[in-house]
Amino acid sequence: NAGVTQTPKFRILKIGQSMTLQCTQDMNHNYMYWYRQDPGMGLKLIYYSVGAGITDKGEVPNGYNVSRSTTEDFPLRLELAAPSQTSVYFCASSSLQGLTYEQYFGPGTRLTVT
Amino acid sequence: GDSVTQMEGPVTLSEEAFLTINCTYTATGYPSLFWYVQYPGEGLQLLLKATKADDKGSNKGFEATYRKETTSFHLEKGSVQVSDSAVYFCALSMDTGRRALTFGSGTRLQVQP
Repeated sequence: NAGVTQTPKFRILKIGQSMTLQCTQDMNHNYMYWYRQDPGMGLKLIYYSVGAGITDKGEVPNGYNVSRSTTEDFPLRLELAAPSQTSVYFCASSSLQGLTYEQYFGPGTRLTVT
Repeated sequence: GDSVTQMEGPVTLSEEAFLTINCTYTATGYPSLFWYVQYPGEGLQLLLKATKADDKGSNKGFEATYRKETTSFHLEKGSVQVSDSAVYFCALSMDTGRRALTFGSGTRLQVQP
């Protein structure tokens, strides 16, 4: 099991460019999430998905889009990148472990917008 | 909405010192509580969890007890090591709906030899 994988690890974008952050999990989890981590802060939820074809907004969705065509993949799209989107992005998936759902995180993508 | 408040860091300790990192939460309903650890340049790893009042989560010498009366989930370790230097996040989730995590802002721990 590779767990949750993310690509790329690092990326520098110019203002106004677009890109897709890739996330794949091989654990057959239905729930998947995108979080962003700003310096010195906790993680904030951008989007989530409860299964293939079903996505919904989190706390900070503006400037992002997602899709979930398969159970394994949950890409995050940035359109018209802005400096405020400079952050570290984490993808996660979750499954029931005992009495509660546990989340498994990918290694993150560090994005800089200049 | 739900929220988590952690003590601010950094926390600097000498090796073998006792560690406490305070965490309190606000939630409607009965959340599950978690501590995650993030080592430099890495993603988050689950350290321990508790799912109901008075549960104690433990792992690698770390412990935390779910206190419903004080809405707290403080992290403790009796004797820290240099290898424990990391950022520690307290988090909660509800076991219905989106099941997403709500995080505190994190506490950086630095352990000196």
